[in-house]
Amino acid sequence: DSGVTQTPKHLITATGQRVTLRCSPRSGDLSVYWYQQSLDQGLQFLIHYYNGEERAKGNILERFSAQQFPDLHSELNLSSLELGDSALYFCASSPSTGNNQPQHFGDGTRLSIL
Amino acid sequence: AQSVTQLGSHVSVSEGALVLLRCNYSSSVPPYLFWYVQYPNQGLQLLLKYTTGATLVKGINGFEAEFKKSETSFHLTKPSAHMSDAAEYFCAVSSSSGSARQLTFGSGTQLTVLP
Repeated sequence: DSGVTQTPKHLITATGQRVTLRCSPRSGDLSVYWYQQSLDQGLQFLIHYYNGEERAKGNILERFSAQQFPDLHSELNLSSLELGDSALYFCASSPSTGNNQPQHFGDGTRLSIL
Repeated sequence: AQSVTQLGSHVSVSEGALVLLRCNYSSSVPPYLFWYVQYPNQGLQLLLKYTTGATLVKGINGFEAEFKKSETSFHLTKPSAHMSDAAEYFCAVSSSSGSARQLTFGSGTQLTVLP
């Protein structure tokens, strides 16, 4: 158990819809990262938040957005969903922003677009 | 920009045989390197990490990796494979821009352990 909690575990929805994925980091971790894992793209970094502030954006579409709340949990919002958005979405956390700090991953949310 | 190349998307070994999973990285600054394992329907679990210091790094479940700067490699090994080692393995490099941190992953190597 990594200590990172993601909900829901599975999500099935239709094209054009909007969903929210939730992540609770490990106790004491201030950094939250979101990644997308798909068969064709592999593991791709989406976005990094530290203590409520956005710190970096990766390959995140404009239809996607995220935020980190004062209690440090984070949400990833995906809108105008397309078939290609079907993937496994992971959240990871680390204590701060040190390069040498490993990121600890949750079990992911599997998003299926029908 | 930093990148990771994992040679061999699929590796099969017999139970009890040596496991060798290859990883090469590209980095303009001293890298921080990680190996993660992913079991079916689970998240990524940290196996080991290299930050600074000793170039031979020991991790969980009997795995180890050696950082070779001259070869820009960070190969993962285990002397004797066990059936429970069957999983997908990812090598990753930590990159930074200012105070931002992200992991850049290789494409993964699926390890099959044959009885």
